Amino acid sequence: KAGVTQTPRYLIKTRGQQVTLSCSPISGHRSVSWYQQTPGQGLQFLFEYFSETQRNKGNFPGRFSGRQFSNSRSEMNVSTLELGDSALYLCASSVGNRETEAFFGQGTRLTVV
Amino acid sequence: AQSVTQLGSHVSVSEGALVLLRCNYSSSVPPYLFWYVQYPNQGLQLLLKYTSAATLVKGINGFEAEFKKSETSFHLTKPSAHMSDAAEYFCAVISPGGSEKLVFGKGTKLTVNP
Repeated sequence: KAGVTQTPRYLIKTRGQQVTLSCSPISGHRSVSWYQQTPGQGLQFLFEYFSETQRNKGNFPGRFSGRQFSNSRSEMNVSTLELGDSALYLCASSVGNRETEAFFGQGTRLTVV
Repeated sequence: AQSVTQLGSHVSVSEGALVLLRCNYSSSVPPYLFWYVQYPNQGLQLLLKYTSAATLVKGINGFEAEFKKSETSFHLTKPSAHMSDAAEYFCAVISPGGSEKLVFGKGTKLTVNP
């Protein structure tokens, strides 16, 4: 059974640019969540999509957005990049039930210069 | 609001020694609790979870954790550390009746000395 796949693994972008990250969940999983991991703030929840609808949202500015497609694949977009957006972005998939665990991808390492 | 506190950002043990990583949660209702491990440049892997069944939970790689409601704790233990256990460990909580999001502690980096 294939795991959660995130592409690309590494990205370098310039301030002011925008970026799109992709996440393919485990087959059959309908929930995809995104987290930002930084040394200073740790792991912070960005948003969660379930069956193409945003079900939960964290406390991030509107520059951070996402979407989910009918095949459950999800994309996350960050516009007008800032240096502080440099982080490891992790995607997690689950069946969408709180009792079941979330399976994480290896992450996308974004560096903003 | 839920929160998770992991005491000790760094823990160092000798190979073969007991591993104890501490996690305390703050929640108005007993939450679901998880321990994840992260190796360098990798995502998170679930070690074990508590979802209101048995209070002593056994996970992978010889780890276990005990849910203690009176102490609002969910400490992670392993009787004998192995070099391969060196990694960062995260405790996380999710509310049974609230948002789907996982709330993570700041993490504890475990070093295992030969």
